[in-house]
Amino acid sequence: EAQVTQNPRYLITVTGKKLTVTCSQNMNHEYMSWYRQDPGLGLRQIYYSMNVEVTDKGDVPEGYKVSRKEKRNFPLILESPSPNQTSLYFCASGAGTGGSGGYEQYFGPGTRLTVT
Amino acid sequence: AQSVAQPEDQVNVAEGNPLTVKCTYSVSGNPYLFWYVQYPNRGLQFLLKYITGDNLVKGSYGFEAEFNKSQTSFHLKKPSALVSDSALYFCAVRDRNKAAGNKLTFGGGTRVLVKP
Repeated sequence: EAQVTQNPRYLITVTGKKLTVTCSQNMNHEYMSWYRQDPGLGLRQIYYSMNVEVTDKGDVPEGYKVSRKEKRNFPLILESPSPNQTSLYFCASGAGTGGSGGYEQYFGPGTRLTVT
Repeated sequence: AQSVAQPEDQVNVAEGNPLTVKCTYSVSGNPYLFWYVQYPNRGLQFLLKYITGDNLVKGSYGFEAEFNKSQTSFHLKKPSALVSDSALYFCAVRDRNKAAGNKLTFGGGTRVLVKP
């Protein structure tokens, strides 16, 4: 089954304790991205990657890191989480081939993060 | 900077009546436009997209959207709403201008409630 998986689905942590949220896709997609969803703000893009070893900042990259060492994986790293990073996080992937931007994205089920 | 506006936080409609969810956008170049739907406790699902060609785009579950360049709008429509259409709907834009990168910007979302 074609899918995007995220782990963990729920996470409660404390301020300053490094964490990683994993994301994996099995569709051989070039494009992967992370978003956070907050009430009234919709989805905001954190980082995205057009291919292995290529990453770019989205609209809200501060406090986050990503890496793309393999095509299928795109982990999100919070090195020193703070309460304002409490949010619902989504990973997504898309074909992204040929440099055209007209590809739709497939979303993971989400990770609800609470930082106390 | 690119942006998306969904002016209505919530749309209420009776089952069987037409449904419209409004979206306007701003990009420096020409847009790729998308609609996604989010059901409770789920990730986002792709509904439809505008790439080029016919301004009226048909998508999943009987939804359609009309691209209007002069009004910079991409309103989502369904001729006859179902109770099962109740969900959160997001409009998104990506700028064709490659100088803008491959960022995808979402609107704040519109909650649709279809009453029996």
